[in-house]
Amino acid sequence: AQTVTQSQPEMSVQEAETVTLSCTYDTSESNYYLFWYKQPPSRQMILVIRQEAYKQQNATENRFSVNFQKAAKSFSLKISDSQLGDTAMYFCAFHSGAGTASKLTFGTGTRLQVTL
Amino acid sequence: KAGVTQTPRYLIKTRGQQVTLSCSPISGHRSVSWYQQTPGQGLQFLFEYFSETQRNKGNFPGRFSGRQFSNSRSEMNVSTLELGDSALYLCASSASARGYEQYFGPGTRLTVT
Repeated sequence: AQTVTQSQPEMSVQEAETVTLSCTYDTSESNYYLFWYKQPPSRQMILVIRQEAYKQQNATENRFSVNFQKAAKSFSLKISDSQLGDTAMYFCAFHSGAGTASKLTFGTGTRLQVTL
Repeated sequence: KAGVTQTPRYLIKTRGQQVTLSCSPISGHRSVSWYQQTPGQGLQFLFEYFSETQRNKGNFPGRFSGRQFSNSRSEMNVSTLELGDSALYLCASSASARGYEQYFGPGTRLTVT
C-alpha cells in the first residue's frame, strides 16, 4: 500500500517570500501521479499542481512549482511570492498508475500561514 | 463549466438514523470518488464509481454505501449513524477514465449527535 508523509504540520511565511512544503511517499510502482491540493478555511479542496512520474521535468503553475525527486520519492511544493490568499492547508496526494483502481492517498497536510 | 456540487452542505442527524448525501460531478466527468475528512483520521477514501459501477472501495464498514446514476450523479448513504461518522464528506470527479486528476466539491458537513 502506498503511503504519503508530510512531516511539517505547520509553517509560516511572510508575504512576498518563498516557502517550500515537503512531501515523501512510498510505493513500489514506477508509474504514478502526484498532486498538491490546497484547502483554504472555506474547506473547498483546490487542485494546485500535478506531476506525472514518467516526466522528468518538474511541473510549474504560475507561482507554484514542484521539486520531484523520483529516486528519493520526494515531491516538494515551492510557493514563490507568497500571498495572503495562499493561507490554507496543503495536502500532498498520490494516485497509482496501475490497474483500474482510482483512489487518491493523502498526506496529513501542512497548515501554511502567510503573514504581513 | 460548473464545478462539482454537493447537497446538502450541512446536516445534523441523530445516532442511529441514516443519511443520504448527493454529488453532481462536473459535466462530462464519469468518475466520481468520495472521501471522508476528520481531524483524527485525515482524508480517507470511501469509494469510487465509474459508469454506474463501483470500481474501488476503501476500508469502511458496510454501513457506508453508494451508487452512481446514468447521468454520473452519485449518492452515498450511511446507515445506523454513529458519533464517529461526524465528518466532512468530500466528493470529487474526474474526466479521466482512470480518475487521475480529481476536482473536489465543497463537501457536506455531517454532525451526528
